[in-house]
Amino acid sequence: KAGVTQTPRYLIKTRGQQVTLSCSPISGHRSVSWYQQTPGQGLQFLFEYFSETQRNKGNFPGRFSGRQFSNSRSEMNVSTLELGDSALYLCASSLRPRDRVSITEAFFGQGTRLTVV
Amino acid sequence: GQQVMQIPQYQHVQEGEDFTTYCNSSTTLSNIQWYKQRPGGHPVFLIQLVKSGEVKKQKRLTFQFGEAKKNSSLHITATQTTDVGTYFCAGTTGNQFYFGTGTSLTVIP
Repeated sequence: KAGVTQTPRYLIKTRGQQVTLSCSPISGHRSVSWYQQTPGQGLQFLFEYFSETQRNKGNFPGRFSGRQFSNSRSEMNVSTLELGDSALYLCASSLRPRDRVSITEAFFGQGTRLTVV
Repeated sequence: GQQVMQIPQYQHVQEGEDFTTYCNSSTTLSNIQWYKQRPGGHPVFLIQLVKSGEVKKQKRLTFQFGEAKKNSSLHITATQTTDVGTYFCAGTTGNQFYFGTGTSLTVIP
């Protein structure tokens, strides 16, 4: 079964531009989460989608947004890019959303390496 | 700010030695997950702990969730070079999901 696919793998953008990243989850998985990974801040949770609805959102400014389509594919958008947005953006898919009790194994994609210049 | 801290940040061990990383949260966690990320790779799910005081083992790896559900540990017995990577804990509190700061493990052959 194909894993989580993220496109593009690498991206270079200029400050002020916007960017859209794509994530195709494992077939049958309906939950997609997005994370930002930087050397300074580590792995930070951006948002989680399930059945086209945003379930949870991390502490990121409104410039970061996302959506999920009916086929569970997800996109995240960053507008008005800043130098500090340079990071590895990871998405993870799982069968169901994370909750407090049930074990929810998440499978990560290879990530999109975004560089803002 | 960061709510889930891990120590140590870096650990170098000789192959065959044991290794332990500790995860501490400022708030009570509903559950905790552990991930391993190889250099240049993406995080790979290892395990999830849910119950207070829970202990789970996977071959040479032992995972523990504290009684107060505020801390967790991962212990590797007799490390091998294949254990190299960064180990992250990740906890759920309320509707938020926090990754720990990670412990980077280097195994010297």
